[in-house]
Amino acid sequence: DSGVTQTPKHLITATGQRVTLRCSPRSGDLSVYWYQQSLDQGLQFLIQYYNGEERAKGNILERFSAQQFPDLHSELNLSSLELGDSALYFCASSLPGGAGTQYFGPGTRLTVL
Amino acid sequence: QKEVEQDPGPLSVPEGAIVSLNCTYSNSAFQYFMWYRQYSRKGPELLMYTYSSGNKEDGRFTAQVDKSSKYISLFIRDSQPSDSATYLCRKTGFQKLVFGTGTRLLVSP
Repeated sequence: DSGVTQTPKHLITATGQRVTLRCSPRSGDLSVYWYQQSLDQGLQFLIQYYNGEERAKGNILERFSAQQFPDLHSELNLSSLELGDSALYFCASSLPGGAGTQYFGPGTRLTVL
Repeated sequence: QKEVEQDPGPLSVPEGAIVSLNCTYSNSAFQYFMWYRQYSRKGPELLMYTYSSGNKEDGRFTAQVDKSSKYISLFIRDSQPSDSATYLCRKTGFQKLVFGTGTRLLVSP
């Protein structure tokens, strides 16, 4: 158990809908990262937050957004969902200055029908 | 060219074999190199990380970095069926978070 929690575990929804994925980092970790993993793409970095502020952006679509709250939990919002958004979404957290060592949550499996 | 390249496999070996997993990278402006293991449908877990060139050993696992060749390797000795997983390499630097696509390893009893 990495100490990172994600909810929900599974999500099934329809095209055009909007969903919110939630992540709670390990105690003491200030950074939260979001990744998307589909079968043929590997782990794709989406976005990083550090202590409530956006720190780095990867291949995140404009239909996706995220935020980190004062209690350090984070939410990833996915809107106008398309079939191709079906994937595993992972959250990871790390200590500041921890050489970027990231601890991953169990993931949320999103299925868009 | 992707910044980190890995052969996707699958790599199939018998139990007890020595396994060699490799990554190449294209940009030298990175500091740390890491290996993660990911079991099917689970979150990746950190196996090892190293900064400098050379070898780092942890039990049956050895990470090797050759910065002159831009080559990262993970060796697994006495491989076990429980080592069957996808292994992802990663390099990191300032605001750069790049994973390889992963190599799937299958260790048969």
